[in-house]
Formats: sequence, C-alpha cells, structure tokens
Amino acid sequence: DTEVTQTPKHLVMGMTNKKSLKCEQHMGHRAMYWYKQKAKKPPELMFVYSYEKLSINESVPSRFSPECPNSSLLNLHLHALQPEDSALYLCASSQTRDRIYGYTFGSGTRLTVV
Amino acid sequence: AQRVTQPEKLLSVFKGAPVELKCNYSYSGSPELFWYVQYSRQRLQLLLRHISRESIKGFTADLNKGETSFHLKKPFAQEEDSAMYYCALADSSYKLIFGSGTRLLVRP
Repeated sequence: DTEVTQTPKHLVMGMTNKKSLKCEQHMGHRAMYWYKQKAKKPPELMFVYSYEKLSINESVPSRFSPECPNSSLLNLHLHALQPEDSALYLCASSQTRDRIYGYTFGSGTRLTVV
Repeated sequence: AQRVTQPEKLLSVFKGAPVELKCNYSYSGSPELFWYVQYSRQRLQLLLRHISRESIKGFTADLNKGETSFHLKKPFAQEEDSAMYYCALADSSYKLIFGSGTRLLVRP
C-alpha cells in the first residue's frame, strides 16, 4: 500500500457542529502532516506529528485539534469553525530518516463551513 | 527563514516547445528540494526530488547552490503536462514548504 487515504472526501458542516477528518497510511511512515489548501493557493502547513507526538503547530486556531492515535492514523477534530475555514484539507506522510524520498499526499477532504 | 519563490504564476507554451519553470530558495542549511505536480482534480504528486537526479515524464531539475535555484525543465512540452507545479523545500524539522506555484498551460 503506497497511498495516504483521507475520509470523507467532502464535508459540509455548520458553524456549531463538531466533525472529524481522518487520515490513514500503511507505509510505515512515522511523520504525518496536516495541510490546508485554499483555491489556487499552495498548501499551508498546519501540524506535524513525528512518532505520534505533535512536533509542530503552525499557530493554528484551537478550533482545529489534531490527534494521532497510532502510527497509521491521523485525525483532525473540528469545532466551531468559521466560513473562512472552508478549504481542501490535505494529509501527508513521510519517512523520518529519509525525507529525501519525499512526502506522500492524500487526495484531501474538501470542507465547506456554512 | 526558509523561503521558496516561484516568480511566474502562469506559463503558457505551445506543444513541442521547451519549458522552464523557475524556482529559487533561501535556506541556511543543506536543502532538500522537490517538485510536485497537481493535475486538475487530482492529488499532489511528487514529480522530482533533487537528490535522485532522475527524469520523470521528460522533466529534469538541477540544484544550483550558487544561484540557490532548482528550475524544472522539459525540452518538448506535451498537452498532458498542463497542470499546477509547486517547488517545495524540506527543512530539518520535517516541514515541507511550498512555493506559490506556477500553472503550466500547453497549447495545441
């Protein structure tokens, strides 16, 4: 398995809802990432997990809460989002010893906040 | 601070013409550089990594440390090359930082 799988592919949520995005990989990668991508813009890093521990939080608002239950799974819990949070949320993973092999991205969850 | 610059938002060429997508970076350490491609409605895909010096789909990129550049080149563009191309730099904390992207449009 050489893919990063993200679910759901699309999500519409109200500003008072609580929802979660899920990401899964079985490549043995020990670093996992959440990125946010707005239309016609590059991906922006949100969080980095290394060996299931949060290593980088790029000053992301607390309404986004990441979780890494094990080495294959990464979740992003969403609560009280704003319409401007609507975007494509991308998960990625990489090896930790050989970053030179690159980062593998999922196809993303397209989130719409209404 | 590390930074990746892609000066062209859009590059339009005719089929069969040479292509060069520019990328410059600033990084105090030894950089790891990549080119990613995003076709319409598809996921980001790794195209090239500087360490491997490989050629994928006819594209090549050479790291020039003196000019801090990692330009992407292809001698003869094809219509199926039309996509968004991102240059990216990985730092020592596993952060992957993207340039703003260049949209390549190959006209028939």
